[in-house]
Amino acid sequence: EAGVAQSPRYKIIEKRQSVAFWCNPISGHATLYWYQQILGQGPKLLIQFQNNGVVDDSQLPKDRFSAERLKGVDSTLKIQPAKLEDSAVYLCASSLWGRGYSYNEQFFGPGTRLTVL
Amino acid sequence: QKEVEQDPGPLSVPEGAIVSLNCTYSNSAFQYFMWYRQYSRKGPELLMYTYSSGNKEDGRFTAQVDKSSKYISLFIRDSQPSDSATYLCAMSERDDKIIFGKGTRLHILP
Repeated sequence: EAGVAQSPRYKIIEKRQSVAFWCNPISGHATLYWYQQILGQGPKLLIQFQNNGVVDDSQLPKDRFSAERLKGVDSTLKIQPAKLEDSAVYLCASSLWGRGYSYNEQFFGPGTRLTVL
Repeated sequence: QKEVEQDPGPLSVPEGAIVSLNCTYSNSAFQYFMWYRQYSRKGPELLMYTYSSGNKEDGRFTAQVDKSSKYISLFIRDSQPSDSATYLCAMSERDDKIIFGKGTRLHILP
């Protein structure tokens, strides 16, 4: 079974530029998450999708970050404009959802490492 | 006070030793307790999960949850160099939104 795919793996941009990350979840997984992991920290949830609807975006800095999940499959996360403090690894995860599943294991992709200069 | 506290280490132990990792938390509503392992340049992968209190064993790994003390532990027996990684504790009230600790960097010395 293929895992969660993310691209690009690495991105270097200058502050105030824009950047976009792409995620393809495991086939059949209804729930998709974007996390931000700053060096030396654990992942922090930015946004959670259930199919193509947003379940939780309470920690997404909406003035500069946006995310969408068209057709309930792939997702993109965009930062515009980027700040120095956005330097981090952006992780995408997916999981099954709903009644009948005993535990909602999240499977993570390899992440996109963003450096903002 | 952060919701989840975890000593970042690094923790260095000789091969074959027993490793003890732990986390404390403040939110009594947490019901799911997880340990993720993260190798360098990789995403986290689920190692163990426990629902509510108690112990769970899987091979060389044992997870313990003490809800009365708000304390969870992961023990690794017969540690191997391949166990060198960052170990993240994680918790959630329901089985969706996960709160992670900072992670403990573990080095197993050959």
